Amino acid sequence: LAKTTQPISMDSYEGQEVNITCSHNNIATNDYITWYQQFPSQGPRFIIQGYKTKVTNEVASLFIPADRKSSTLSLPRVSLSDTAVYYCLVGGAGGGNKLTFGTGTQLKVEL
Amino acid sequence: DSGVTQTPKHLITATGQRVTLRCSPRSGDLSVYWYQQSLDQGLQFLIQYYNGEERAKGNILERFSAQQFPDLHSELNLSSLELGDSALYFCASSGRQSGSGNTIYFGEGSWLTVV
Repeated sequence: LAKTTQPISMDSYEGQEVNITCSHNNIATNDYITWYQQFPSQGPRFIIQGYKTKVTNEVASLFIPADRKSSTLSLPRVSLSDTAVYYCLVGGAGGGNKLTFGTGTQLKVEL
Repeated sequence: DSGVTQTPKHLITATGQRVTLRCSPRSGDLSVYWYQQSLDQGLQFLIQYYNGEERAKGNILERFSAQQFPDLHSELNLSSLELGDSALYFCASSGRQSGSGNTIYFGEGSWLTVV
């Protein structure tokens, strides 16, 4: 299982770009990298997923270097409502894997 | 709305009792996962089922058990409850599309309070 390491917390201000990096040194060949957002007492919500290089959707970008040992979630122009815990999850498709979440990063956005 | 439905949303019960939490996965999803999240804690993986068969097991207590039925819904049974079992229990599902990586979609959770 690929263990992930993220910063425990980050602070930002509204309108800034936030980059959260996740380390996953022992990522396997068939592992994907997925990021989730979780608000208090709610289920984690899928943000973005990638395998290599760069992926962008309407809410975020995901940068993955060639060695895939880390990934960076980029949130453009954050707002107060982006205050949440962000989890990086590394794992393969299908069954048989435990899809274990790390400790996550508590992002706090202020005015 | 993720498409994953969990019931009940809230449950209060006494120590020593037994409860059953229910999960309906997204339409067509074959995998169901159960996670436990205690107050201010991370998501602890409990168990995974795939098309009715247990596929992976995490740090699930012996007092806890789960199963996935032919219609793919799943139940998590918690028995001999202790105060420390108070937590949010999440169900998640995946597997609707091939090649979809490990995208799992979470329900809104069942909040269990043991008193």
